[in-house]
Amino acid sequence: AQSVAQPEDQVNVAEGNPLTVKCTYSVSGNPYLFWYVQYPNRGLQFLLKYITGDNLVKGSYGFEAEFNKSQTSFHLKKPSALVSDSALYFCAVRDIRSFQKLVFGTGTRLLVSP
Amino acid sequence: AAGVIQSPRHLIKEKRETATLKCYPIPRHDTVYWYQQGPGQDPQFLISFYEKMQSDKGSIPDRFSAQQFSDYHSELNMSSLELGDSALYFCASSPTPGPRTSTDTQYFGPGTRLTVL
Repeated sequence: AQSVAQPEDQVNVAEGNPLTVKCTYSVSGNPYLFWYVQYPNRGLQFLLKYITGDNLVKGSYGFEAEFNKSQTSFHLKKPSALVSDSALYFCAVRDIRSFQKLVFGTGTRLLVSP
Repeated sequence: AAGVIQSPRHLIKEKRETATLKCYPIPRHDTVYWYQQGPGQDPQFLISFYEKMQSDKGSIPDRFSAQQFSDYHSELNMSSLELGDSALYFCASSPTPGPRTSTDTQYFGPGTRLTVL
């Protein structure tokens, strides 16, 4: 089965410092990987995706993610965190059996302190 | 840019009642997905539709049904509601295949928060 794991329930970082939110995947074949962010009482906002090509993917709001096949990881990164980045972040993989549904990780809460 | 619209945004029902959630996809998006997010949980896939036909089915209870209409909007019908149905229900849509679009990204609506008392 296709799955992703987010090993950290919460990540704390000071404003201005770099941040990393971890995600590892387990898939058959080539993975289609996504990052979404969820602010309180809001929907899921698409940040970025990896389908094929460059291992470093750039997305919205200054976020980027690095696809590492050997480590089966797709960590989300940002060089300089903002307080407004504080939110719930979900990694997801597209289920290749259905080519439709997304399978989400358990989410990581990012807290950026001033 | 237009986004996915969901209505109502909040809904309160009693046990054993019925509820209907509506989803209006982004214009020119022909695929609609429904997800359920329980408190403190990750979103779980329920069902999807492509060109008005059910295309995939996940962990959707038999008490729930859904359909996609000719204008591509979708409705999720929930009957015999249970306390455990209290959750945030998301609809997402993805675009029609084309030279400058990708079918891979799902764009989510703001969700409908259903509370069953």
